[in-house]
Amino acid sequence: AQKVTQAQTEISVVEKEDVTLDCVYETRDTTYYLFWYKQPPSGELVFLIRRNSFDEQNEISGRYSWNFQKSTSSFNFTITASQVVDSAVYFCALSVLNTGNQFYFGTGTSLTVIP
Amino acid sequence: EAQVTQNPRYLITVTGKKLTVTCSQNMNHEYMSWYRQDPGLGLRQIYYSMNVEVTDKGDVPEGYKVSRKEKRNFPLILESPSPNQTSLYFCASSFGRGPTEGEKLFFGSGTQLSVL
Repeated sequence: AQKVTQAQTEISVVEKEDVTLDCVYETRDTTYYLFWYKQPPSGELVFLIRRNSFDEQNEISGRYSWNFQKSTSSFNFTITASQVVDSAVYFCALSVLNTGNQFYFGTGTSLTVIP
Repeated sequence: EAQVTQNPRYLITVTGKKLTVTCSQNMNHEYMSWYRQDPGLGLRQIYYSMNVEVTDKGDVPEGYKVSRKEKRNFPLILESPSPNQTSLYFCASSFGRGPTEGEKLFFGSGTQLSVL
C-alpha cells in the first residue's frame, strides 16, 4: 500500500527563521514520483517540485531546498530565511507507476510565519 | 492564459438535490482528475480520466459520478448529495498519463460545497 505521512500538522516560526517540513512515504514499488504543493490562504494549489525515485540529488531553488533520502523514505522541504508570504499549507504527494494512476497526498503541514 | 476552470466557486445545496460541478481545461491535457479536501485528511482522489471516454475510480468514488465526453471537460456529478459530501473540491489536469509518469498537476481554484 502507498502512504504519505506529514507528521507536523502545524508549525509556527518567526520571520527569517529556517524551517523544515517533513515528509515520509511508503511504497514497495521501485519507480515512483514525489511532489510538493503549496496551498496559500487564497486556496489554490501550486506545484513546487517533482522528484523521481531514481534521482536522489537534493535540489535548491532560491530559499527552498529539498532533501530526498531513499534510505529513510523521506522527502523533506526546507525554507531558509522564511517570509510571511511562505505562510501556507504544504502538501507532500506520491504517485507510483503501477497503481492505476492514483495520486496520494499527505495530510498537509500548515506553516505560519510570524512577522 | 493556461488554466483549469471550475464552477461554481461556492455551492450550498440540500440533501438529495442533484448537482454538477464543472471543470474545463484549455491546455489540451489528456489526464484529468477530481479531489476532495477535508481537514486532517488532506486531498483524496475521487475519479480520474486518462482520456476521452476513459475514467476510473480513485480512493473515494462512492456517491460521485464523472464523464469525459470531450477532452477539455470533466464534470463531477453528485446524483443525491449527502451532508458527508460537504467538502472543498478540486479539479486537476496534466499532460500525458498524469502523475504516474511524473507529470505535475494543474489545479482549478476549488469549489466549496455545503450540503445541508
